[in-house]
Amino acid sequence: QVQLQESGPGLVKPSQTLSLTCTVSGGSVSSGTDYWSWIRQSAGRGLEWIARISPSGSTNYNPSLKSRVTISVDRSKNQFSLNLRSLTAADTAVYYCARGDYSYYWGQGILVTVSS
Amino acid sequence: DIVMTQSPDSLAVSLGERATINCKSSQSVLYSSNNKNYLAWYQQKPGQPPKLVIYWASTRDSGVPDRFSGSGSGTDFTLTISSLQAEDVAVYYCQHYYSTPFTFGGGTKVEIK
Repeated sequence: QVQLQESGPGLVKPSQTLSLTCTVSGGSVSSGTDYWSWIRQSAGRGLEWIARISPSGSTNYNPSLKSRVTISVDRSKNQFSLNLRSLTAADTAVYYCARGDYSYYWGQGILVTVSS
Repeated sequence: DIVMTQSPDSLAVSLGERATINCKSSQSVLYSSNNKNYLAWYQQKPGQPPKLVIYWASTRDSGVPDRFSGSGSGTDFTLTISSLQAEDVAVYYCQHYYSTPFTFGGGTKVEIK
């Protein structure tokens, strides 16, 4: 059974960079064909797909966030990560990591609040 | 971006009755080379991540009760709960995965009448 777990800060100041990590167990970020994704959810924006990375490292980004986002993978730790720069209050959301383009495995989510 | 529009925003259905949720995409999500609709449905309960219910527009995920069914093609899709149970109370979302950026509908809240 594949499990995903998000980790990172719950509170970040405006203009700072958010760094989140998704630790995968029961599966490998380096094998198979499924992409690994970050998705966020807020009351104002609903569910918003942020980015995905393939086992080989190929990436796709939401154009609305592309200038501020980087997704990467750490194969040695079986993790993938999200960096989101220049934060504003509008980035306050629950951030999920997930597996697959139709995501059948999700992490539990981490609430990130952007506030001074 | 493909815009996903769900209707209604909410609905209240009696236990054992049918619930129908609609989802419309701003462009077709049917890939002609494999004749597959790149459309998924999720169920989300409070405090939980979304749970995959349907993919390829009509394939139930493992363990999903057969009272859930998905239909439609191209730009118009439907999620049907044939006999609503108390545990089906949730918000339901459609999502396309035809091309990036993937996008979600605004959600439909299903309640018991």
